[in-house]
Amino acid sequence: NAGVTQTPKFQVLKTGQSMTLQCAQDMNHNSMYWYRQDPGMGLRLIYYSASEGTTDKGEVPNGYNVSRLNKREFSLRLESAAPSQTSVYFCATTQLAGGQETQYFGPGTRLLVL
Amino acid sequence: SQKIEQNSEALNIQEGKTATLTCNYTNYSPAYLQWYRQDPGRGPVFLLLIRENEKEKRKERLKVTFDTTLKQSLFHITASQPADSATYLCALGVRDDKIIFGKGTRLHILP
Repeated sequence: NAGVTQTPKFQVLKTGQSMTLQCAQDMNHNSMYWYRQDPGMGLRLIYYSASEGTTDKGEVPNGYNVSRLNKREFSLRLESAAPSQTSVYFCATTQLAGGQETQYFGPGTRLLVL
Repeated sequence: SQKIEQNSEALNIQEGKTATLTCNYTNYSPAYLQWYRQDPGRGPVFLLLIRENEKEKRKERLKVTFDTTLKQSLFHITASQPADSATYLCALGVRDDKIIFGKGTRLHILP
């Protein structure tokens, strides 16, 4: 089991370029999440998907779009990258047991926007 | 406003001693609280979960307490080792099925 995988590991973009961050999980979890992590800011939720075919905004959705392609895959798209989107992006899935969620994180994608 | 606060400064603890990390929150009513470990360049890894009706939970050298009156959780690592050095995140499970993370505390165990 690979768990949660993310591609690419690292990316450099110029302002205005677009890109898609990919996330896949083999844990058969329904819920998937995209976070960004910035120094001094902690993990902030961008978008989440409670199940295949549904997506919802989190705390910081502006400038991003998501697609829940199927149960395994959840992608995050930056249509026109800005330097403020320089960050480390984490995908996560959740296991819901007894009404309590445990999150499993991918290794992260480090994005630098120049 | 809603806040989760963890020690913003790094915590330095001598090897073998007990490390205690604090997580305080305001204006949340969490159903449960979690602690995660994060190493540099990696994603967070789940450690422990404690429910709102539990006061203490243990796992090997780890102990978590949860005081919903004080709105505080304490995370203890006993007999600390240099390998315990990492950033530790607390996270609240709030009632709309979201998990809200604190900013984390960096822990250094000094040999």
